[in-house]
Amino acid sequence: DAKTTQPTSMDCAEGRAANLPCNHSTISGNEYVYWYRQIHSQGPQYIIHGLKNNETNEMASLIITEDRKSSTLILPHATLRDTAVYYCIVRVGGDYGGSQGNLIFGKGTKLSVKP
Amino acid sequence: SQTIHQWPATLVQPVGSPLSLECTVEGTSNPNLYWYRQAAGRGLQLLFYSVGIGQISSEVPQNLSASRPQDRQFILSSKKLLLSDSGFYLCAWTRAHEQYFGPGTRLTVT
Repeated sequence: DAKTTQPTSMDCAEGRAANLPCNHSTISGNEYVYWYRQIHSQGPQYIIHGLKNNETNEMASLIITEDRKSSTLILPHATLRDTAVYYCIVRVGGDYGGSQGNLIFGKGTKLSVKP
Repeated sequence: SQTIHQWPATLVQPVGSPLSLECTVEGTSNPNLYWYRQAAGRGLQLLFYSVGIGQISSEVPQNLSASRPQDRQFILSSKKLLLSDSGFYLCAWTRAHEQYFGPGTRLTVT
């Protein structure tokens, strides 16, 4: 079972920031938080990951609470192309080349960006 | 840059027929490779992973099998398809923290 809890769906106005929450209250000290998204009929796409510090890249920002029990993915200026299912995943970090590298995808949050 | 290919993109097969899906990766060597399946409206299920040529580990017992005949080639097969094998099949490879997915094959078993 997935170790995370996310809202089923969210709406966001085009051009506004989209803030997607994720609860991971049972996260272990060596587990990272990963975010992926899946646009309809495509394979999932890596967005960002973090351990305990906030992270930012060209796609998004990741804010992790100090106790690491929850996090928020922020898309600063959502566009219609950001409409997708967003998955928050917790697992041991790095490439272990096997089942430890397995990404356990839950049901995610369906983000709808509206004009 | 690295690229991952899957074919065919879509496939409709009758129950009991064989299956062969192919995945190839470009731009990297000795990748860790994965096969996932996504049933309609559900999350991804890991089926197989491989850390090298000829090395296959299965996560879920089923009528599917996988092979890795070359470093950057990963094949998913079945001798006799079941209706429950319908789904979206995704191949992926990993590099450090990032997992890259192919475009997927949508399989419908009728």
